[in-house]
Amino acid sequence: GAVVSQHPSWVICKSGTSVKIECRSLDFQATTMFWYRQFPKQSLMLMATSNEGSKATYEQGVEKDKFLINHASLTLSTLTVTSAHPEDSSFYICSAWDRDFGIYGYTFGSGTRLTVV
Amino acid sequence: SQELEQSPQSLIVQEGKNLTINCTSSKTLYGLYWYKQKYGEGLIFLMMLQKGGEEKSHEKITAKLDEKKQQSSLHITASQPSHAGIYLCGADTFGSGNTGKLIFGQGTTLQVKP
Repeated sequence: GAVVSQHPSWVICKSGTSVKIECRSLDFQATTMFWYRQFPKQSLMLMATSNEGSKATYEQGVEKDKFLINHASLTLSTLTVTSAHPEDSSFYICSAWDRDFGIYGYTFGSGTRLTVV
Repeated sequence: SQELEQSPQSLIVQEGKNLTINCTSSKTLYGLYWYKQKYGEGLIFLMMLQKGGEEKSHEKITAKLDEKKQQSSLHITASQPSHAGIYLCGADTFGSGNTGKLIFGQGTTLQVKP
């Protein structure tokens, strides 16, 4: 079955530094990837939709200059949290969409827990 | 834009009891997904419903989509501590004129007391 690898699974960084999170589709080509953020005891909030070779589409209220998304290939999308602050501490999870499976084609990574100190 | 409303937001049940979680959409559902999660971990896919009136079961979990395709329910029979977690309903926005993407309801946190 489709597998999405997300790395790292957890990261601690100092306030003001940048952190990059990778999302890879291992056995399929993902023309579209999605990035979500989840705070404790809350649901997944869609941050942005990433299409290979084009600029990401950000949801309302998400700062595009703070959360840089790059989807340079059909198997890799990255989310960079720039100038991280403690309020950016959260659980980030990606999802890759395999067009061959249509509405059955969403596969999620295992998530990244970011702690900013 | 499409919105999903889940109820209840949290639920505490005694082991062995049945329970139901509801998910209501502001628009007709193209695809309705149910996931289970523990915070800080990945999502476990439970079921996907697409057709009006559709019902699917897996072990002690049954999910239904109403005929109008705007409401879904997740029913757990004889709950066990292993059922504890966050239950999320998600909707695929294909067919709504938007770029297809999966959005989620606010989640239902389930605790099962032994």
